[in-house]
Amino acid sequence: GIQVEQSPPDLILQEGANSTLRCNFSDSVNNLQWFHQNPWGQLINLFYIPSGTKQNGRLSATTVATERYSLLYISSSQTTDSGVYFCAVPTGAGSYQLTFGKGTKLSVIP
Amino acid sequence: EPEVTQTPSHQVTQMGQEVILRCVPISNHLYFYWYRQILGQKVEFLVSFYNNEISEKSEIFDDQFSVERPDGSNFTLKIRSTKLEDSAMYFCASGSSYEQYFGPGTRLTVT
Repeated sequence: GIQVEQSPPDLILQEGANSTLRCNFSDSVNNLQWFHQNPWGQLINLFYIPSGTKQNGRLSATTVATERYSLLYISSSQTTDSGVYFCAVPTGAGSYQLTFGKGTKLSVIP
Repeated sequence: EPEVTQTPSHQVTQMGQEVILRCVPISNHLYFYWYRQILGQKVEFLVSFYNNEISEKSEIFDDQFSVERPDGSNFTLKIRSTKLEDSAMYFCASGSSYEQYFGPGTRLTVT
């Protein structure tokens, strides 16, 4: 099945700093989603971004499907941004099940 | 904004007992999913459900698991005889053919 690798695995930021999280995947995809898992364990949809760039407030995401990667940008980070960020892609052609990466654990300190 | 809801938020059960986890998907969605996340690990797919039948399932989804859409709104996951290793967060999701929206999860603890 498809492989999804996220980097870095852990990231510590001072409040107000910017960061870039990366998601590489091993095969072409027609879907990619970014999620934020908050400290209570809830999975929050951030972006559905099979290609191109989207922005939502301080967060933006870019997927370059031809080069098999996606980037999540967090600007002016806040302590509430802490948690684990996952990207997920379909497991294979014609499949709707998502394969998740192992996530990037972000800690934003005041 | 519509959202997926799950009940209970936390369930503690004894090994060998049956549990039913409940989900109310977003009303106009046609695809339904269950995923699980063992503590500290990544989220894993269990099963997808479309047109009142299972469309895909993983190797985790063995005979101990079943899903049902009993009344056209609820979507349930049943584990017949729980094991210690079933302890995990269970997420329900619903969606269109591509984007999936996840519920807040049910934390299942098997003792």
